[in-house]
Amino acid sequence: DVVLTQSPLSLPVTLGQPASISCRSSQSLLHSDGNIYFNWFHQRPGQSPRRLIYKVSNRDSGVPDRFSGSGSGTAFTLRISRVEAEDVGIYYCMQYTRWPYTFGQGTKLEIK
Amino acid sequence: EVQLVESGGGSVQPGESLRLSCAGSGFTFSDSWMHWVRQPPGKGLEWVSRLNSDATVTTYADSVKGRFTVFRDNAKKTVSLQMNRLRVEDTAVYYCMSGTDHWGQGTLVTVSS
Repeated sequence: DVVLTQSPLSLPVTLGQPASISCRSSQSLLHSDGNIYFNWFHQRPGQSPRRLIYKVSNRDSGVPDRFSGSGSGTAFTLRISRVEAEDVGIYYCMQYTRWPYTFGQGTKLEIK
Repeated sequence: EVQLVESGGGSVQPGESLRLSCAGSGFTFSDSWMHWVRQPPGKGLEWVSRLNSDATVTTYADSVKGRFTVFRDNAKKTVSLQMNRLRVEDTAVYYCMSGTDHWGQGTLVTVSS
C-alpha cells in the first residue's frame, strides 16, 4: 500500500502568518495516464472533510487563493499564505493513483 | 447543490450486520464513482470501498474484504454498504463520497458488546 507521511503533525501558527504542510509518498504517484491523483482536504471539528486541492495544484471552487498546492512524484506541499481563524482543523493529503487509496495521518493546525 | 445523505448507522454487537445507505442529489449520480470512507472516533480517515458508475468495478480495503459489500441503484440515486460480521474495530463514522470531491455528513456505526 502507498503510505503517505505528513509533517508536521501539529502546526501552531500566528494569525496572518504563512503555513506549510508536507506530504511524502512511499511510491511515485504518477499514474500511467500521466496524471498525479493527489488531493488535500480540510476537516473542521465535527464536520466532514472538504476538498481544497485536487490533482496536486488545482484549487476547488470557493477555496480562497491563499491556499496552494505543489509537488510531483513523491513529495507534495500545501501552503497557506496568510493563516486566518477559519483555517483551524485537520489537513489530510490523499492519493488515488493506486488502490487502496490512502490518506496521510493528518496535520492539526491551531492558532497560537 | 450537491448533497449526499447517509443513513443506517447505529449500535450493534460484534458479529451482527448493518446496512448503510447514501442518497445523492444535485449531480449526475449515474456517471459518478462512489466511495465509502470511515473515520474511527478521534482518528484519521480510511478508505473502505469504491464502486464505479455502472457497478462493474467494486474494490474493498483488506480490512473489510469478504465482510462488506457495496452496491448502487442509479435509478434511485443511492449507494449502499452492507456490513456483515461486524467487529469492534469497525466502529467509526462512515462517509459516502462522490468522485473525490463531495462528502456526506457521515453516519456513526458503533460495534460493542
